[in-house]
Formats: sequence, structure tokens, C-alpha cells
Amino acid sequence: GAGVSQTPSNKVTEKGKYVELRCDPISGHTALYWYRQSLGQGPEFLIYFQGTGAADDSGLPNDRFFAVRPEGSVSTLKIQRTERGDSAVYLCASSLNFAGGPGELFFGEGSRLTVL
Amino acid sequence: QKEVEQDPGPLSVPEGAIVSLNCTYSNSAFQYFMWYRQYSRKGPELLMYTYSSGNKEDGRFTAQVDKSSKYISLFIRDSQPSDSATYLCAMSPYNAGNNRKLIWGLGTSLAVNP
Repeated sequence: GAGVSQTPSNKVTEKGKYVELRCDPISGHTALYWYRQSLGQGPEFLIYFQGTGAADDSGLPNDRFFAVRPEGSVSTLKIQRTERGDSAVYLCASSLNFAGGPGELFFGEGSRLTVL
Repeated sequence: QKEVEQDPGPLSVPEGAIVSLNCTYSNSAFQYFMWYRQYSRKGPELLMYTYSSGNKEDGRFTAQVDKSSKYISLFIRDSQPSDSATYLCAMSPYNAGNNRKLIWGLGTSLAVNP
């Protein structure tokens, strides 16, 4: 597709359940990012992939959160034993790999997660 | 204290007004400064991207960076109702190695009234 695609757009789950959120980046973009945005807040960095490997996962809040990008394209963010505090919009972005600087990030529309 | 401070507003202006948005920051290592626009229930989209200090102009938008004061601004001239959105500043230190994370402000909600 032309842009970053995220599915599902909305997910409602119960506390304690497992959730997977999918991101399909722009074709040819080697860098992929996951951010989390709570209501009235700016995006909060979670993890950054360069190709298949997680180059920086320092933003993952705890070991319930995990992300993969096995073939260097589509990525899945996995959340185990969800808690009400995990409710937020999970944004995925992709970019070309620049030698210096973060470059322009292209964001998807986000997956809105609600944990009841 | 947050690394990046931004007044969330809301800011309401009449059509045609000049809008001034700004952020302050505390980390002197920040080198890259960006402004993103976010419409309701959409992802952010890049408006302006600057490196180090100085001004950059693109159409009705002007970005200014004053590193000595740790202060950045976005000006919108001849504002239009279609400019109504949340404006987020984002910053990053020099890209040494794998440091690509952006640090974001809260976002300022802008309404331009026809």
C-alpha cells in the first residue's frame, strides 16, 4: 500500500488477555518504530527496528511487551496479561535509513487498545 | 521536569490570524527538531524538520530554533480552518549509533475559526 497500515484499528479486550497489533510499513523502509500515545499526551517511544533486529527496545515498559519483525517488513507488537493502564493508541511509523538524524517518520493511523 | 515542555492549549484563533506555537527543552544534546501535525484519530504527519539553530520556511509555515535559549517555534501565517489540529514538537539528539528515538511535547490543540 501507499502508507503505513496498522491492524486492528480498534481492539477491546479484558484485563489479563493477550493482544497482538500488526504494522505493515511503507515498502522499502528499513526502519520501523512503535510508539504509544495516551489521551492528551505526545507519543512515547517503545522500540525501533533496523531491518529484522531491534536496535533500541529501551522504551518497552516491562517484559509483558514484546515486538518482532522476522522478515524485516511487517512487525507485530505483542502484549501479554494486559492491564487497564495499557489502554492507549499504539502508533507504528517507518522511515528510510538516513546516515545521520532520525529522518522523516511516516505514521500509520494507530491501533486503539482499550483494556476493560 | 519533562525534557520537552509544550503548552497543550487549546488555542483558538480567527481565520487569517498568525499562529505562534512553541516548545522549550532541557537536553542540550538535541540537534534535530521537528513539528508534526496530528488530526483527530490520525497519525502524526511531518510539517517541518530542522537541524541545529536557525530558521526554515515552507509556504505558510516557518520554524525557528534557538539553541541558546532551548526554545523552538512554529509560525503559521494566514491560518485556515483546515489548519485546525494538534501540533506536536519532537526532538532528537545527534544520531550516534542506533539512537533514533524522538522525544515529544504534549501537543498544542489549535482551532481556526472561519
